[in-house]
Amino acid sequence: NAGVTQTPKFRILKIGQSMTLQCAQDMNHNYMYWYRQDPGMGLKLIYYSVGAGITDKGEVPNGYNVSRSTTEDFPLRLELAAPSQTSVYFCASSYGGPNTGELFFGEGSRLTVL
Amino acid sequence: AQSVAQPEDQVNVAEGNPLTVKCTYSVSGNPYLFWYVQYPNRGLQFLLKYITGDNLVKGSYGFEAEFNKSQTSFHLKKPSALVSDSALYFCAVRDRSLEGNQFYFGTGTSLTVIP
Repeated sequence: NAGVTQTPKFRILKIGQSMTLQCAQDMNHNYMYWYRQDPGMGLKLIYYSVGAGITDKGEVPNGYNVSRSTTEDFPLRLELAAPSQTSVYFCASSYGGPNTGELFFGEGSRLTVL
Repeated sequence: AQSVAQPEDQVNVAEGNPLTVKCTYSVSGNPYLFWYVQYPNRGLQFLLKYITGDNLVKGSYGFEAEFNKSQTSFHLKKPSALVSDSALYFCAVRDRSLEGNQFYFGTGTSLTVIP
């Protein structure tokens, strides 16, 4: 019973490098989300998806890209990493539509940009 | 605009005493309210939610929350705190009127239960 799986758990990048954070869920949820968590700031929504082939921007999308080719996977791409992207990233999923279900979170990916 | 406020960054309580973690919200329609807990270096875990019905909602690990529409509050409570309750707590509101049914989170309250 995996739920939401994120990889890698930790990563250090140099300024200007690129990488992809992977996220997969096995609950057949159609809604998926990427958040970043910074100390004292709560969670900020980066991107979300309401189904395969559909993505949209959240509050803080600059410097990131996403894709949703399957229901299960929702990778987050960081292009040209900057120190401001040092954060903990969480992927989450939920049932969508009229359902008022809760979010299910992955364990997080801690990214440091030096 | 939807928003969630957690007025206390830090709450300390003695083990065995009742605890309260405060949350107020602002939404344009009917609120769908949630509490999550985060232990160190872990993801957020769902505790409880209010959708409709009884204003007192019971959740995991003995926690409960009271929805108060007139005060726009959804405070998290537990009658007797345990040291293992020490964690970061987040209140969230779900906006069903927006595409993506987006969640808005408070900034979190760090709860420390003192033995």
